[in-house]
This record gives sequence, C-alpha cells and structure tokens, in this order.
Amino acid sequence: QKEVEQDPGPLSVPEGAIVSLNCTYSNSAFQYFMWYRQYSRKGPELLMYTYSSGNKEDGRFTAQVDKSSKYISLFIRDSQPSDSATYLCAMSLYSSASKIIFGSGTRLSIRP
Amino acid sequence: EAGVAQSPRYKIIEKRQSVAFWCNPISGHATLYWYQQILGQGPKLLIQFQNNGVVDDSQLPKDRFSAERLKGVDSTLKIQPAKLEDSAVYLCASSFDRNTGELFFGEGSRLTVL
Repeated sequence: QKEVEQDPGPLSVPEGAIVSLNCTYSNSAFQYFMWYRQYSRKGPELLMYTYSSGNKEDGRFTAQVDKSSKYISLFIRDSQPSDSATYLCAMSLYSSASKIIFGSGTRLSIRP
Repeated sequence: EAGVAQSPRYKIIEKRQSVAFWCNPISGHATLYWYQQILGQGPKLLIQFQNNGVVDDSQLPKDRFSAERLKGVDSTLKIQPAKLEDSAVYLCASSFDRNTGELFFGEGSRLTVL
C-alpha cells in the first residue's frame, strides 16, 4: 500500500463547476498537509498548506483535512480554464518543507 | 525575485552514459532539494542539503547518483552510468529553511535515457 493514494484522473469538468480533489493516506502521524499545482512542463507550486485537521480557505480554494479518516480534500469553486493542471497532494510528519511525500497527482481539465 | 534556475531543460543520452544537472536556488535559501519525478508519478525526494551539508540522502541510489552543493549555493546532480529507468524530470527546489515555509521548485530538467 502506498503511503499516499490519489486518483490520477483525468478529471474534466465545465467552466464554473465545483471541483473536488481527494487523497487518502496510511500514516496517521502526518501533521502537515499541502496541495501543489503543476502546469504542464513546469515545476509544482504550493497552492494550500494546512497544519493538522480542519479547513482552510483562500479565495476560490478550500482545503480540508480529516485526520480521523486519513482523508484530505481540495475544493475549487467557480473553476476556470486556467485551473487546468495536475494537482498533487503532499504531506509530511516534520514540517512543510522537509521529508514531503507526494501523491501521484490528479490531472484536471476545465472545459470553456 | 528570481526563481530557482535549472539547466539543461532537456537532455537525451544513451544508457551507460553520464549526465549532470545544475541548480541555482533562490538567493538566501539555505535548504536545497533534488526530486525525481517519473511520468505519471509525484516527485520523490533524492537528496536534501542544508547549506553545504547533506541532511537526507536515504533515497539516493548512491551507486550511480551523486550530488554536491559546494559553498552552500549552487548544486549539481550527476548520474553515472545512466539506466533506462532514470528517464524522468529532475526537479530542484529550495526553501528558506527546512523547518518552515514552502518549497519553491524550478522548472525541472527532463532526462530521456535511450
């Protein structure tokens, strides 16, 4: 079993839809949870970061962590074609910068 | 602020040949990372430097991969000899320190081994 599981997609939705991306994990000791966005032929960039459980909102993006279920989610409201990218969940025991374990990524396409 | 610079962007080599990748992190960032991203997978950490010292190289295949960060700034990742399974994007990232903040990634160096 992989430490972090993520549906690879691809996921295709119409512009304006609400998008839900999810990851499950096996190590209950993870404390730092992140979502990275990776455009084609670019490096990943940090989108959202959460410490421990709870919700965090930033504009059209909401990250949720449910440690009891070992499940994290990213919601994108009012999706735009510019949101088309691969979304990588990531987590760590130690910090937001060290020993990060990445999911395999979900490829998202927003249709105009 | 300039981002993380990497070169070359693309490299094609034959198996058993050698290759080197170069990374220049964001100015002032003490921690530098090399990740390997195989097609369809997430990045996997190969090695982490704090200034010019190695913090974690547990996933670096040391029989063929080496990395150095002389003077605590630029870094070079070398593969010798290359295998077919080394075909991947090699991503360099940096952070202000290893305990806080975020990773800033470069655009990556895409290696194809034939």
